[in-house]
Amino acid sequence: DTGVSQDPRHKITKRGQNVTFRCDPISEHNRLYWYRQTLGQGPEFLTYFQNEAQLEKSRLLSDRFSAERPKGSFSTLEIQRTEQGDSAMYLCASSARPPRGQFFGPGTRLTVL
Amino acid sequence: QQPVQSPQAVILREGEDAVINCSSSKALYSVHWYRQKHGEAPVFLMILLKGGEQKGHEKISASFNEKKQQSSLYLTASQLSYSGTYFCGTELTQGGSEKLVFGKGTKLTVNP
Repeated sequence: DTGVSQDPRHKITKRGQNVTFRCDPISEHNRLYWYRQTLGQGPEFLTYFQNEAQLEKSRLLSDRFSAERPKGSFSTLEIQRTEQGDSAMYLCASSARPPRGQFFGPGTRLTVL
Repeated sequence: QQPVQSPQAVILREGEDAVINCSSSKALYSVHWYRQKHGEAPVFLMILLKGGEQKGHEKISASFNEKKQQSSLYLTASQLSYSGTYFCGTELTQGGSEKLVFGKGTKLTVNP
């Protein structure tokens, strides 16, 4: 029974560069979520997918952020023209048909220099 | 919209009990509880649905009072492994995305 996996675990980039993260959910889970977490705060919702459809996106998410989930399997989160304020832990979670809990992956820690 | 957790931090000795509260200004459909250890991802503990139910998970249980828009997490006879930051995540919409709004967390430290 494999859990949620994320790749890479750490990413250091320079301001202005583009980065892409990958999330592989638990295989039977049809819902996938992206959250961002900064030090001392709880996870902050970014977007979520049901199967391959992106159904909701946070208003806090600028146009520099985009997410995809082709074929309803893995998902990618891309940040274009990174800024120092993007430095955070990016968490992916998946869940089965609600009401069920969300199961988080280990996260990708992004540092923008 | 962000739920308020209290206390912000609590220090216990092994074997002592603790209560962590989560309050919302909005009507809630469900409350999720998670524990996160330093440098790790949040781990799902339990979900409580509208209906005022109480759930238990070994020595950790929780209640949900939908009228007061509050949930409480009860840790009984705490163990060293209970140390970590506890987050409540609240869902506002019934049958919706299960999009969660998390509180700022309660840091629990259990000492020998």
